[in-house]
Amino acid sequence: AQSVTQPDIHITVSEGASLELRCNYSYGATPYLFWYVQSPGQGLQLLLKYFSGDTLVQGIKGFEAEFKRSQSSFNLRKPSVHWSDAAEYFCAVGPGSSASKIIFGSGTRLSIRP
Amino acid sequence: GAVVSQHPSRVICKSGTSVKIECRSLDFQATTMFWYRQFPKKSLMLMATSNEGSKATYEQGVEKDKFLINHASLTLSTLTVTSAHPEDSSFYICSATGTSGGFNEQFFGPGTRLTVL
Repeated sequence: AQSVTQPDIHITVSEGASLELRCNYSYGATPYLFWYVQSPGQGLQLLLKYFSGDTLVQGIKGFEAEFKRSQSSFNLRKPSVHWSDAAEYFCAVGPGSSASKIIFGSGTRLSIRP
Repeated sequence: GAVVSQHPSRVICKSGTSVKIECRSLDFQATTMFWYRQFPKKSLMLMATSNEGSKATYEQGVEKDKFLINHASLTLSTLTVTSAHPEDSSFYICSATGTSGGFNEQFFGPGTRLTVL
């Protein structure tokens, strides 16, 4: 079955500290992987995506993610978080065609401690 | 970049009435649009996929007669919640994708908050 697991429901980190949000997926074919961010009451903004090539992907707002096929993981990282990073983060997987449905994880809520 | 808008951003209606939500691609032609529903503190649940000029494909468990989707043009899809009830209250988000070169992601609208009294 195709699925995305984000094991951490809620994470709190101090401003300036590093961040890692976990994502594991189960997918039958080569996965296309995404990380989205959602601020309260807002739509989704794409942070980064991985289709092929270099397994370390750089995104917007200083985020990066590493694809590890052996671990079926696509963890999101940021070396130093800012208060404005507080939001809900969703990992997602799809078949590669943008016209196909994306499967979302349950999300991780990030809070920033001043 | 590709921009998707939704209108209205929030709507409050009485039980039994119908509500229409619009999703527009502002700077590209959207051959496929998706409608999602998001419950509080939950993930996005895909409701249906619509291709321009075709009938929408609904996910299992989604009532097609209750959630009417029309994708009549390459820039507009509408979701109509018919005979809305309080349990239909939710955050509805659309996404769109096109066929211009390089399209390999969906672009999401800002969402519509529906409250049924």
